[in-house]
Parts: sequence; structure tokens; C-alpha cells
Amino acid sequence: DIQLTQSPSSLSASVGDRVTITCQASQDISNYLNWYQQRPGKAPKLLIYDVSNLETGVPSRFSGSGSGTDFTFTISSLQPEDIATYYCQQYGTFGPGTKVDIK
Amino acid sequence: EVQLLESGGGLVQPGGSLRLSCVASGFTFRNYVMTWVRQPPGKGLEWVSAISGYGGATYYADSVKGRFTISKDNSKNTLFLQMNSLRADDTAVYYCAKDTGHIVAVTGPTGADCWGQGTLVTVSS
Repeated sequence: DIQLTQSPSSLSASVGDRVTITCQASQDISNYLNWYQQRPGKAPKLLIYDVSNLETGVPSRFSGSGSGTDFTFTISSLQPEDIATYYCQQYGTFGPGTKVDIK
Repeated sequence: EVQLLESGGGLVQPGGSLRLSCVASGFTFRNYVMTWVRQPPGKGLEWVSAISGYGGATYYADSVKGRFTISKDNSKNTLFLQMNSLRADDTAVYYCAKDTGHIVAVTGPTGADCWGQGTLVTVSS
């Protein structure tokens, strides 16, 4: 089974900062990687699918990149509403999540 | 607007059973793979099960195989999850979600682009 690891497990940044989260797969997963945002007490929301495609209605400050086993999720300018836990996912596996807070 | 509304959660004793339902609207239900995802309190997400549009193919996580059964009624736009032999570690919020794909892969769901609000299942004596 494929394992996904995320780093960091949590981070604290200031409004306007650039935030980067990495997701590493235990084997080559080509371009099949999605990213979700889960705000406290809410259901997850799909932000990015197939590595770099922005879901409809998602702000352009969110982006994704990578291939093979190493993937990156970026928030170009952190906003207060971005406080959430972010998960990567490839088929039947979710990463452990990265909790993002405002400093 | 796509909407998913789960129901059926609650408190159940270990070894007991529970049936979750999810009513869908806003899309052609029979055309999409539907899934269940759960989240134990304070923990991460886990795919539980998935079912193809017409119900002919299913996927189960190893942790629930043989105990949970997924089904759907396309005439009522409703997804179900029958949970038997429940254990304490099944305690979680259970989300109904619409898959981004149209087939059930052996490796699990493709992704989920619409989620319900979740229903809490607590297994405790």
C-alpha cells in the first residue's frame, strides 16, 4: 500500500506569508494527488486535484506542484480564513494532515 | 447546487449495528461513485467504502471489510452504510462524499469533490 507523509505536521505563520506544505509518497504515484482543506468543525473541501488543478471557486493563492513521489502545496499569501488542516490524498490514502495557524 | 445530507448516527454499544443514510441532490446520482469517509475525534481522515454508480462495484478499507456494507438506491438518490459488529475504534464522524471519478478502483476512491456535513457515530458501553 502507498503511504503518504506530510511535513510539517503543523505550522504557524503571519498573515501575508507564503506557506508551503510537502507530501511525499512511498512510491511513484504519477499525477494522482489531491489536496483538501478542513476548517475547524467543518467537512473537508477539495482545493486541488491531479497535483496542480484548482477546483472551481478556489482562490488563486492556493497552488500545487510536483510529480512522482514529491509534491508541494502552497498558499502564496496566508489569509485569516486559511486557518485549517490540510490533507494530501492519493486514491485510498490520505496524508496525516498539516495544521496551519496564524501567528 | 450539490447537497449531501447524512443521518443515522448515534450512540451504540460494542458489537451493535447502525445504518447510515445520505440523501443526495443537485446532480445525477446514478452517474457517480459515492463514498464514505470517517474521522475519529481529533484525528485524520480515512476512506471507509465506495460504490459505483449502479452499485456493481464496491471498495472497502481493510479495517471495515466483512463488517460494513455499502449500498445505494438510485430511485431515491440515497446512499447507505450498514455497520455491524461495531467496535470502539469505529467511533468517528462519518462523511458521505461524491467521488471525482466514475469508476471504483481497486486502490480506492479517486477523490471527493462534495461532502456532507457528517454524522457522529459513538461506539461505547
